[in-house]
Amino acid sequence: EAQVTQNPRYLITVTGKKLTVTCSQNMNHEYMSWYRQDPGLGLRQIYYSMNVEVTDKGDVPEGYKVSRKEKRNFPLILESPSPNQTSLYFCASSKFGFWDQYFGPGTRLLVL
Amino acid sequence: DAKTTQPNSMESNEEEPVHLPCNHSTISGTDYIHWYRQLPSQGPEYVIHGLTSNVNNRMASLAIAEDRKSSTLILHRATLRDAAVYYCILGFQKLVFGTGTRLLVSP
Repeated sequence: EAQVTQNPRYLITVTGKKLTVTCSQNMNHEYMSWYRQDPGLGLRQIYYSMNVEVTDKGDVPEGYKVSRKEKRNFPLILESPSPNQTSLYFCASSKFGFWDQYFGPGTRLLVL
Repeated sequence: DAKTTQPNSMESNEEEPVHLPCNHSTISGTDYIHWYRQLPSQGPEYVIHGLTSNVNNRMASLAIAEDRKSSTLILHRATLRDAAVYYCILGFQKLVFGTGTRLLVSP
């Protein structure tokens, strides 16, 4: 089954404790993205990647890092999480450009 | 970055057509127009996209104004399963989401 998986699905952490949210896709897609969704602000793109070792900043990259060492994986790293990073995070992938993206189920993060 | 403007909410009756508008007066020549929808407690789902010409697929149609400053997503026959938040998005690599239109469908 074609899918994008994210782990963990739910996470409660404390300020400053480094964390990684994993994202994996099994469709051999070149393009991958991370988004965050907050009430009243809709979805905002954090980072995107067009292929292995090719990443770029989206709309709200501050406080986040990404890496793309393998085509299937695109982890999101929060080196020092802060409460304003409490949000719902989505990973997405696509074959040709950023249309027809497949989204993961989301990761709900609470930073205390 | 180019922004989009959508109505906060719209209502429709089941089996009637729905026209969801989106304004994007600052769109650039390389920006595609994408539409996604998000059902409750789920990730967004791709609906359709286009650049200059009108587009049709099994889910919907996309009508793009000649000057590309606005577009309309057309659901030909709304069903209860179409109740969702619909996002109009501009971009080629860096995507800028609108706030979305919440579509309510009544039986």
